[in-house]
Amino acid sequence: SQTIHQWPATLVQPVGSPLSLECTVEGTSNPNLYWYRQAAGRGLQLLFYSVGIGQISSEVPQNLSASRPQDRQFILSSKKLLLSDSGFYLCALKQGAGNQPQHFGDGTRLSIL
Amino acid sequence: QKEVEQNSGPLSVPEGAIASLNCTYSDRGSQSFFWYRQYSGKSPELIMFIYSNGDKEDGRFTAQLNKASQYVSLLIRDSQPSDSATYLCAVFMDSNYQLIWGAGTKLIIKP
Repeated sequence: SQTIHQWPATLVQPVGSPLSLECTVEGTSNPNLYWYRQAAGRGLQLLFYSVGIGQISSEVPQNLSASRPQDRQFILSSKKLLLSDSGFYLCALKQGAGNQPQHFGDGTRLSIL
Repeated sequence: QKEVEQNSGPLSVPEGAIASLNCTYSDRGSQSFFWYRQYSGKSPELIMFIYSNGDKEDGRFTAQLNKASQYVSLLIRDSQPSDSATYLCAVFMDSNYQLIWGAGTKLIIKP
């Protein structure tokens, strides 16, 4: 069965510091991978998605970037965090390009001080 | 702008009653619809998906889809306190293969 690993579960970072969040998946190949952010009490905001190695689509212009160096690895990065980057970061996968459901990892709660 | 609308709630339902959650969407061409449950501080988990008009039942959960009226509902029968959560509606856009998410409805089941 498919498994999504995200770490760390909780992260506290100062403003202006860099960020690297990693998502790795098991039990699947060639998945579509997604990074979402959820602000407190809000819905899901799609940040990036990837249909394959090295293929990244950005949905929202901001100071974040994403990379997919391996089929089952998806990384979210920032060179300089802003206060507004606080939130719950979720990695999701979908098998195939069609209308299959997405499944989520446990998420990383990021607080910027 | 493609949109998915949900009443934010909270929706309070007594234990044992039927909870009814509604979601409307703007894109008439949408074909696939998903309901996720999200407990406080946790990630969303898939409850049901529905692709065809009508009802789809899975245990205590029933998804109802009406494409003509552009709404999809989730019914929870015999509601339990453990059903207290935020329920997210998501609509698959055939035009760009992405999900559009509602902001969620907070459901509270009162013992």
